[in-house]
Amino acid sequence: DADVTQTPRNRITKTGKRIMLECSQTKGHDRMYWYRQDPGLGLRLIYYSFDVKDINKGEISDGYSVSRQAQAKFSLSLESAIPNQTALYFCATSDTSGSYNEQFFGPGTRLTVL
Amino acid sequence: SQQGEEDPQALSIQEGENATMNCSYKTSINNLQWYRQNSGRGLVHLILIRSNEREKHSGRLRVTLDTSKKSSSLLITASRAADTASYFCATGLNTGFQKLVFGTGTRLLVSP
Repeated sequence: DADVTQTPRNRITKTGKRIMLECSQTKGHDRMYWYRQDPGLGLRLIYYSFDVKDINKGEISDGYSVSRQAQAKFSLSLESAIPNQTALYFCATSDTSGSYNEQFFGPGTRLTVL
Repeated sequence: SQQGEEDPQALSIQEGENATMNCSYKTSINNLQWYRQNSGRGLVHLILIRSNEREKHSGRLRVTLDTSKKSSSLLITASRAADTASYFCATGLNTGFQKLVFGTGTRLLVSP
């Protein structure tokens, strides 16, 4: 969905390096999420944010941090990357106006940590 | 642990056939959603069914929900090669925050 963009799309890095993945959205949604996807494990929630001042840990936040710079921007950082953080990372957004949480996903960032 | 578990993990059919995939979950839900993912790309929302609904249709998609059995099924009728993708169920939980928990997915291959 072009309304949610992620950069970079692919990244190869080395163990111990600091990495930042960026997400931007033009949907005007308040809520943003970061997930990682591993083969056979589906998507797991890393962090989520209700608005610029509200950030919450998901089920697998260890080793990650986030920054909500603006309503439209939500960045995920790996302070010291390790090989088991090799995965496909997705940003998603949702609207608070409805009662149900349909989410809109970005195209993903494929991260490889050597 | 995953809330949703899809069955089968993989499904291979011919064009024109129907494809059925199932999702089981563990806890009380507010709604259940199905998403589609083409290889290595982002997920796309297909359909949402609320906990007080039993069946919902959207084009060639039919979703059922049985809250007593904590299960849902997605039926794709008259499948096409373009339906080849992975399909995920996601349960919306009653946690105050509309958290979605994704299952492990079913890989569907539709051969011409």
